[in-house]
Amino acid sequence: DGGITQSPKYLFRKEGQNVTLSCEQNLNHDAMYWYRQDPGQGLRLIYYSQIVNDFQKGDIAEGYSVSREKKESFPLTVTSAQKNPTAFYLCASSIEAGYEQYFGPGTRLTVT
Amino acid sequence: GDSVTQMEGPVTLSEEAFLTINCTYTATGYPSLFWYVQYPGEGLQLLLKATKADDKGSNKGFEATYRKETTSFHLEKGSVQVSDSAVYFCALKETSYDKVIFGPGTSLSVIP
Repeated sequence: DGGITQSPKYLFRKEGQNVTLSCEQNLNHDAMYWYRQDPGQGLRLIYYSQIVNDFQKGDIAEGYSVSREKKESFPLTVTSAQKNPTAFYLCASSIEAGYEQYFGPGTRLTVT
Repeated sequence: GDSVTQMEGPVTLSEEAFLTINCTYTATGYPSLFWYVQYPGEGLQLLLKATKADDKGSNKGFEATYRKETTSFHLEKGSVQVSDSAVYFCALKETSYDKVIFGPGTSLSVIP
């Protein structure tokens, strides 16, 4: 089955630690995205990548980093510089940038 | 800049009631418009889309018509079910750039 996987579904970390969220897709999509969703709010774009080895900052990139070394993988690192990291993180992909996006199931990160 | 506005929720309806969720947009060109649905604890799924004025998107009994004159893309369903309880996001993609802009989401709760 083609799709997007995110792991783990729930993640707990202590304040001051970096943590990496996984996102893998087997849809052969060029573009991939990371969003943050806070309770009762919409999606805010963190980073996106239109093609392998290239990525751009979204609206709230501070405190986050990404890499795109392989077409199917777009991991997100939440660094200790992110002031309020507890949130639901969604990864998405599209065949090309700007086309309809397909979402993974999300990772709920809790930092205490 | 471009933006999407949705009616504030939460919306609570009885089963078999008629649903309308309002969505209006601001864009400089001729965007594509989307409705996504997010079930509790999951990622977003594309529900329907329309790419030009007067197009009607439909899926699973939901419909939305792209109205350029009123810059609207209201979501409707004739008879909601308990299983339709979810958060609904209106979104647009401008033709001139590749990002998708999401509205804040409208929470729908359908009670038996």
